[in-house]
Parts: sequence; structure tokens; C-alpha cells
Amino acid sequence: QITLKESGPTLVKPTQTLTLTCTFSGFSLTTTGVGVGWIRQPPGKALEWLALIYWNDDKRLSPSLKSRLTITKDTSRNQVVLTMTNMDPVDTATYYCVHRLGGGTFDYWGQGTLVTVSS
Amino acid sequence: QSALTQPASVSGSPGQSITISCTGTSSDVGGYNYVSWYQQHPGKAPKLMIFEVSNRPSGVSNRFSGSKSGNTASLTISGLQAEDEADYYCSSYTSSSTLYVVFGGGTKLTVL
Repeated sequence: QITLKESGPTLVKPTQTLTLTCTFSGFSLTTTGVGVGWIRQPPGKALEWLALIYWNDDKRLSPSLKSRLTITKDTSRNQVVLTMTNMDPVDTATYYCVHRLGGGTFDYWGQGTLVTVSS
Repeated sequence: QSALTQPASVSGSPGQSITISCTGTSSDVGGYNYVSWYQQHPGKAPKLMIFEVSNRPSGVSNRFSGSKSGNTASLTISGLQAEDEADYYCSSYTSSSTLYVVFGGGTKLTVL
């Protein structure tokens, strides 16, 4: 059974760096084809894809946020870490960790974690 | 503004069928058979309902079906039930710049 769970701060101040951790089980990020990504959703708004990391450490980042995003993996801990620098109130959103099925499809989602950016 | 265009809302009565459209371009919806649909109930994480245009994951009701014509994909829900009331999002793999996947703006389905 595949599960993913996000963890990190619920409140960050403007200009600070956000670090979110996705801890997963039921699969390995060393298996060919596997990918783990991040998607966010501002309150009342649509989903926005942020980043994806593959089993071979290949990475994809949203072009509009690329300069602010970093995604890394720790296969020994079954974790994927997303960092976003220079946080702004518009970055307030629920951040989801997701398992890639293939193509651009995500078949398993974490419960999400709401991050509020406010001074 | 989302990359894929969906109607903001649709509605239907129990037992009826509804269709939600998702319009993109030849760089996403029209160029690949990697269109997915997600259902999201309030306060919950999205749930995959359709992948690769028309495939249903195990456990998803066969009342949900997907299709594609040109740059527009569609999700059809037949035999509407109260539990189908939710937000629905389409997504597509894309070759636009280095973007990996784009989402639609979401459609609120109301079961009357």
C-alpha cells in the first residue's frame, strides 16, 4: 500500500525559506520509472504542479518557480524534500506530495499540509 | 490563469449524465494521450479518476469515462449521484518549455 505524508512548518514569514518533507512508504525511489512530486493549491484556487524527482535523480521544476525551488531525495529514508526560497503571502497554499504513475499522472496523494505565509 | 480551460461549473440532477470539457493546445492535450482527471471533495486531497485519457484506476466507478478529440478532453459522469458533487480537475503532460504537467482551473459539479 502506497502512502505519502507531508511535514513541515504551518507558518512562515515573508522572505523566509520553506522546507517541506515528504515521507513515503509502499514503493522505492530506486525503482526504475518511479517519481515523486509536489503540487500546491492556494485556498479556493486550482492545483499547480511544482516539481518532480525521478528514481535516477532527474528533476523537473515549474518554470515560473524554478529559481526558487529545489527538490532532493533521500532514498535511505524514503523521503523527498522540497525547498522554496523567498516565500511570499501568495505562496500560501496546501502543499501535496504525490506519487507519479506515468506521463503526467499522479495516482497517490498525501493528505496535504497547509502553509501560511504571514508576518 | 490556468493552462487548460475548464468550465467553472456544471450541474445535473441525480441519474442524469454530465460532461466536463478540458481545452488545451497541441503542446499538451492534443499532443499526448496523458490526460488525467481528478475529483476533489472539500477539505480532501484530489483523487485520480481517469488517466491516459480514458483509463480508470482500480476501484473507480465505471460511471466515469474519459475521451479526447483534438485539443479538448472530456470527462463524462453518467447516472449522477449526490456523492459525485465535487471539484474536478483535468491535467495533461506538456512539452511546453520545461513544464512537466499542466492543470485546468477546475470545475465545480453540483448535483441538484
